[in-house]
Amino acid sequence: KAGVTQTPRYLIKTRGQQVTLSCSPISGHRSVSWYQQTPGQGLQFLFEYFSETQRNKGNFPGRFSGRQFSNSRSEMNVSTLELGDSALYLCASGFGLTGGDGYTFGSGTRLTVV
Amino acid sequence: GQQVMQIPQYQHVQEGEDFTTYCNSSTTLSNIQWYKQRPGGHPVFLIQLVKSGEVKKQKRLTFQFGEAKKNSSLHITATQTTDVGTYFCAENTGNQFYFGTGTSLTVIP
Repeated sequence: KAGVTQTPRYLIKTRGQQVTLSCSPISGHRSVSWYQQTPGQGLQFLFEYFSETQRNKGNFPGRFSGRQFSNSRSEMNVSTLELGDSALYLCASGFGLTGGDGYTFGSGTRLTVV
Repeated sequence: GQQVMQIPQYQHVQEGEDFTTYCNSSTTLSNIQWYKQRPGGHPVFLIQLVKSGEVKKQKRLTFQFGEAKKNSSLHITATQTTDVGTYFCAENTGNQFYFGTGTSLTVIP
């Protein structure tokens, strides 16, 4: 079966711009969660969406937002980009944070802010 | 917030040697999941431990959950070059996902 698909794979943006990343989960998975990975901070949880509702949120500023569509596809938006937002953004799909199962990660979107 | 610390941060081993990474928390963990991330890749789910003292095996990999549910370990017997990567532990609290700092394993042929 198809895995988790993230687009685009690479992105270069300028400070102050905004960006939208997309994630298509594995068919049947209703939970999509997003993570930021940087060498300094490691893997950090951004938020989780389940059935179009944001259920949980990590400790990130309001510039980071997301949404989930009825087909479970999810988008993450970062507004007013800062240099420190340069990172690998990963999304993962699963049966939910309360599902007790592992998550399947996509290959990520590498965002570079210049 | 929750912090899950992993040690060591880096480990270089000769092919065939054993390897262990430890995951420690100051608070009781709800559960522990382990992931492996190859260089340039994305995390791949390995296993989940839920019960106190639980031990699970996957071929050369042995996963343990401490009796007090405050620590966990991943042991690899007779490492191979395919074991190269960063191993993360993670706690799913039901509200958040906390990843450990990771242990980067290098296997020298």
